[in-house]
Amino acid sequence: IAGITQAPTSQILAAGRRMTLRCTQDMRHNAMYWYRQDLGLGLRLIHYSNTAGTTGKGEVPDGYSVSRANTDDFPLTLASAVPSQTSVYFCASSDSRGTGELFFGEGSRLTVL
Amino acid sequence: QQPVQSPQAVILREGEDAVINCSSSKALYSVHWYRQKHGEAPVFLMILLKGGEQKGHEKISASFNEKKQQSSLYLTASQLSYSGTYFCGTEKNTGGFKTIFGAGTRLFVKA
Repeated sequence: IAGITQAPTSQILAAGRRMTLRCTQDMRHNAMYWYRQDLGLGLRLIHYSNTAGTTGKGEVPDGYSVSRANTDDFPLTLASAVPSQTSVYFCASSDSRGTGELFFGEGSRLTVL
Repeated sequence: QQPVQSPQAVILREGEDAVINCSSSKALYSVHWYRQKHGEAPVFLMILLKGGEQKGHEKISASFNEKKQQSSLYLTASQLSYSGTYFCGTEKNTGGFKTIFGAGTRLFVKA
């Protein structure tokens, strides 16, 4: 089934550890995004990528890094996790030549203790 | 900046109507609307481009007033399945590479 796959689905992590959330899409969309969702704050953009090889900062980029080596993959890395990074993370993609609709993955629930 | 949504929450009886508003302090190119059920990913409802057009999706429609930088989502004759959290997302740049979402409006439809 075409779409976006995120991994892991859920993870508990000790503070200070490094963590990479994986995101893969098979729709050949040029743009990809990472959002975090916290109660009462909605979806906040962390980083985005307009096309393979380029990335940009969103609303809340501090403590996170991304890479876009190819069209399909857009991993999000927490170099040294802190408790405030406990959240649900959603990866999304869109085709800028289309309607601009965002297609979301199922989310990764991360708990930092 | 995040767009501002209102109300924060609304409770309806089945068959009643509701309006959810979204406003921005910045000039907008487009507005997206999504619905999210508990524990699931957001699902696209519609996108409105500048030009003041109105769109519809079943009994859900929306308008976009680019001069006022506002959009409204209209839910007519609400059904139980309409329950969820509704998010508006706004874009400033042509091409839609940075969609910024509001905090959401929680809608609960009861029988």
